[in-house]
Amino acid sequence: EAQVTQNPRYLITVTGKKLTVTCSQNMNHEYMSWYRQDPGLGLRQIYYSMNVEATDKGDVPEGYKVSRKEKRNFPLILESPSPNQTSLYFCASTPSPSHYEQYFGPGTRLTVT
Amino acid sequence: QKEVEQDPGPLSVPEGAIVSLNCTYSNSAFQYFMWYRQYSRKGPELLMYTYSSGNKEDGRFTAQVDKSSKYISLFIRDSQPSDSATYLCAMINSGGYQKVTFGTGTKLQVIP
Repeated sequence: EAQVTQNPRYLITVTGKKLTVTCSQNMNHEYMSWYRQDPGLGLRQIYYSMNVEATDKGDVPEGYKVSRKEKRNFPLILESPSPNQTSLYFCASTPSPSHYEQYFGPGTRLTVT
Repeated sequence: QKEVEQDPGPLSVPEGAIVSLNCTYSNSAFQYFMWYRQYSRKGPELLMYTYSSGNKEDGRFTAQVDKSSKYISLFIRDSQPSDSATYLCAMINSGGYQKVTFGTGTKLQVIP
């Protein structure tokens, strides 16, 4: 089944404890991105990647890191999480940067205390 | 001012009603318009896609774009309880790079 998977689905952590949220797609898509979704603010792009070893900042990159060493994987790293990073996170992929449809993962609910 | 404005709702309608969901935008460079549907505890899924001004129909769903007014709509006919979800409008500008701007979403509840 063609899909985008994220792990973990739910995570509660404490301020300052490094964490990684994994994202993997099995559709051979070139383009992947991370979003956070907050009430009243909608989906905001954190980082995106146009292909392996090609990443760039989105609208709200502060406090996040990403890497793209393989085409299928695009992990999101929070090196020192803070409470304002409590949010619902989505990974998405699309066949190419010019393709309009994005395929979203199921989301990761992160709480930082 | 946000580039895309969308009423968050919630919108509650009886089963069988016609639902109208709307977004306005300020960036005239937006050329591609989409509606995503997001069920609770799920990621958004593409529902409708339009490029030009006018209407596009798919079953019970009709997407309408009015570029002159910078206004897009999604109509749902004969609404069903299974349509209960959050509906997000999304837009892409005319540049080569696919930068998607989302509305905040409208939560819809269809009452049986």
